[in-house]
Amino acid sequence: NAGVMQNPRHLVRRRGQEARLRCSPMKGHSHVYWYRQLPEEGLKFMVYLQKENIIDESGMPKERFSAEFPKEGPSILRIQQVVRGDSAAYFCASSRNGGRTEAFFGQGTRLTVV
Amino acid sequence: EDQVTQSPEALRLQEGESSSLNCSYTVSGLRGLFWYRQDPGKGPEFLFTLYSAGEEKEKERLKATLTKKESFLHITAPKPEDSATYLCAVQAVNTGNQFYFGTGTSLTVIP
Repeated sequence: NAGVMQNPRHLVRRRGQEARLRCSPMKGHSHVYWYRQLPEEGLKFMVYLQKENIIDESGMPKERFSAEFPKEGPSILRIQQVVRGDSAAYFCASSRNGGRTEAFFGQGTRLTVV
Repeated sequence: EDQVTQSPEALRLQEGESSSLNCSYTVSGLRGLFWYRQDPGKGPEFLFTLYSAGEEKEKERLKATLTKKESFLHITAPKPEDSATYLCAVQAVNTGNQFYFGTGTSLTVIP
């Protein structure tokens, strides 16, 4: 049973470009979380999705960031017009059920904005 | 305001020297407390889930315990391969399903 798959592992974008980060959850998991981790800081919640629905986006910046989890295919975190401050590691996690259930993390995508 | 505080920030142990990591939390209505291990450049690896005060979970040299205010991760006779950052996260009634993480304890075990 493959774990949570994230790609790409490393992504370099110039300021103003778009970044698309992909996450395929574990088999049988229909709940996906996105987190951001800055150097020397903890994991910060961004968004929680179920298939075709955004359940909680309270941690998502209001502009330039969006997320989706379509019926078919991976979850996508999209960052438009990237800025240097967007450079971070972005982690996706999935769980079988929403509440009171552990989530399993992918290896992350390291975004560098130059 | 919900808070998760981990201590110490960093810990250096000699191989075989047992110790404990602390995770204290102030949340309204704990739904679950989760321990993860994170190696440099990798994603967090799930270790334990605890739901209620008095609960304990064990795995190899690790044992996690939970009270109403805090959780401990006890490491017995650690080995160099136990070196990692250990993260604590909580789910609370008023924050829905999101996991609220502490900043972690960086553990180094010296041979």
